[in-house]
Amino acid sequence: AQSVTQPDIHITVSEGASLELRCNYSYGATPYLFWYVQSPGQGLQLLLKYFSGDTLVQGIKGFEAEFKRSQSSFNLRKPSVHWSDAAEYFCATVPPNSGGYQKVTFGIGTKLQVIP
Amino acid sequence: EAQVTQNPRYLITVTGKKLTVTCSQNMNHEYMSWYRQDPGLGLRQIYYSMNVEVTDKGDVPEGYKVSRKEKRNFPLILESPSPNQTSLYFCASRTWGLTSTGELFFGEGSRLTVL
Repeated sequence: AQSVTQPDIHITVSEGASLELRCNYSYGATPYLFWYVQSPGQGLQLLLKYFSGDTLVQGIKGFEAEFKRSQSSFNLRKPSVHWSDAAEYFCATVPPNSGGYQKVTFGIGTKLQVIP
Repeated sequence: EAQVTQNPRYLITVTGKKLTVTCSQNMNHEYMSWYRQDPGLGLRQIYYSMNVEVTDKGDVPEGYKVSRKEKRNFPLILESPSPNQTSLYFCASRTWGLTSTGELFFGEGSRLTVL
C-alpha cells in the first residue's frame, strides 16, 4: 500500500526566509505527486503537481517542488516566505496510469507559522 | 467559475438530530468524495462515488451515509450524529478513469459541532 510521510508537523520560519517542506512517499512505481495548501478557513487548493518529465516543477504563489526518485521525495520550496504563506500544507500521491479507482493518499500535513 | 460548493459552512447540532451536508460541483466530474479533517490525523476519506448511483466506503464510513442521484450532487448524511463526529468536513471532486491525473478540487469545508 502506498503511504506519504510528512516528517514535520509544525514549522516556524521568519518572513523573508527560505522554506523547505519535506515529503516522502512509499510506492513501487513513481506516483503522481501533488502539494495542496489549506489557508485558515479555506478548502485545499492545488499548489503544484508532478506527473513526469522535468523533476523541478513550478507552482502558484512562487512555490516549487523537486522530485527525487532516488530519495522517493517531493519536497516543496519557496525562496522567500511571506506572512500570507502561513497555512497547512499537504503532500499527496496517486498511483500512475492505474485506471479504475485511483486512491489519493495524503500526508498528515505540515502547519507553517510565519513570524515577522 | 469551476467550483465545489458545500453547505452549511458551519453547523452546531445536538446528539441524535439528523443532518445533511450538501455538496455540489459544476465541473461535470464523475468522481466525488467526502473527507473529514481532525487535528493530528490529517484527511481521512469517509465515502466516495465513481458515478451516479455508484458509491463505496472510504477509511472511516461508520455513522455516515451518502447518495449520488445526480452527477453534480453528493450529500453527506449523519442519521444520528454523535460528539465524535465533530470535525471539519470537505467535499472534493475530480475526473475518473485511465486519463485522470487524480487532481482533486475541494469545497471550502463544513465545520460541524455535535453537542
